[in-house]
Amino acid sequence: DAKTTQPPSMDCAEGRAANLPCNHSTISGNEYVYWYRQIHSQGPQYIIHGLKNNETNEMASLIITEDRKSSTLILPHATLRDTAVYYCIVTGGFKTIFGAGTRLFVKA
Amino acid sequence: NAGVTQTPKFQVLKTGQSMTLQCAQDMNHEYMSWYRQDPGMGLRLIHYSVGAGITDQGEVPNGYNVSRSTTEDFPLRLLSAAPSQTSVYFCASRPQVIAKNIQYFGAGTRLSVL
Repeated sequence: DAKTTQPPSMDCAEGRAANLPCNHSTISGNEYVYWYRQIHSQGPQYIIHGLKNNETNEMASLIITEDRKSSTLILPHATLRDTAVYYCIVTGGFKTIFGAGTRLFVKA
Repeated sequence: NAGVTQTPKFQVLKTGQSMTLQCAQDMNHEYMSWYRQDPGMGLRLIHYSVGAGITDQGEVPNGYNVSRSTTEDFPLRLLSAAPSQTSVYFCASRPQVIAKNIQYFGAGTRLSVL
């Protein structure tokens, strides 16, 4: 599975969009991009995933570049409850490897 | 629908003791995994299983054993606990289809080894 690189931390003002970047330059054609988040010490929670097209659901939007070497998770109107660690994962096989993620702080 | 259930929620062991962390899922998922998370760190994959009778090692398998006799259960065994195994352990399950690799996590087991 391809490796991912994320910034260790980011800040966002409440009510503004949070844009979380992820680099996955070694991604292969059959690998998907998945995003999870972990609030406090709870188990990670699925957010969204995509292969090559942009995706949107009730929680977030996922923008994948045309060369698929990077992606951005967008939380359109961040709230204090969105403060969490966000993990970008690239996987196409059996194993799902988590990196260190990005710690997002949403501030009032 | 209970999802992924882990027991116990908390456990304190002495060095050298053995124990089994239990994980059960009721979603008929083929894939199950065990992760550990040390304070301030991301999750690291210990072992995973792609179906009953099939298991494989993840990133940090040493000191842990697993077995998968049924689709529902995936216990993790610590053979001889060490302080370095103090961590939060998460079990996860997901369906086989890679296009829907949505993992469902349990609430975790917080383990302290003294």
